[in-house]
Amino acid sequence: GQQLNQSPQSMFIQEGEDVSMNCTSSSIFNTWLWYKQDPGEGPVLLIALYKAGELTSNGRLTAQFGITRKDSFLNISASIPSDVGIYFCAGSHQGAQKLVFGQGTRLTINP
Amino acid sequence: NAGVTQTPKFQVLKTGQSMTLQCAQDMNHEYMSWYRQDPGMGLRLIHYSVGAGITDQGEVPNGYNVSRSTTEDFPLRLLSAAPSQTSVYFCASSYQQGSSYEQYFGPGTRLTVT
Repeated sequence: GQQLNQSPQSMFIQEGEDVSMNCTSSSIFNTWLWYKQDPGEGPVLLIALYKAGELTSNGRLTAQFGITRKDSFLNISASIPSDVGIYFCAGSHQGAQKLVFGQGTRLTINP
Repeated sequence: NAGVTQTPKFQVLKTGQSMTLQCAQDMNHEYMSWYRQDPGMGLRLIHYSVGAGITDQGEVPNGYNVSRSTTEDFPLRLLSAAPSQTSVYFCASSYQQGSSYEQYFGPGTRLTVT
């Protein structure tokens, strides 16, 4: 079953606010990925993390690979309407050749 | 490049019918996989393949078959559809080495089984 716990499940914010979401696991992961899914579309990769403690940015998005290897965080600064969607974390164990996904965080932005 | 393509985009089946969901990629990716997405469940891995002629089961393989005769194609077969298989199905692909976990997803197939 699911091994990743993603929180919060949903967020309702005002345009311009910063957003934080996280993903935790009971086991160690060697790779953390963050995806965004727009309605009716497939997930799109936002950020990939491969080293514990790694902090990576992609525009207004910043993600971190937790030092314990059991968690990851995604921050979005100065949210805009096109940030609306579902954000998924995904992780992979060493040599596992497959990803495990969190349940997703649904982001809604009020203009 | 077209990336990952999936057909059909929508499908309605009656219980017991069979069908094949098509997936193709033109990025020469060795790794391909199938997921299903249900409300509140995220994405769950059905089957995956690390190269032509090699397939393996994921988290929820029951009721589904796959084959990988070419690098480009990875079809998913439902032999006898059941209402529990109503879901959105995504195909994904990635390189085998290096960024092997950076999977690229297709647009999905929305399947309803009545």
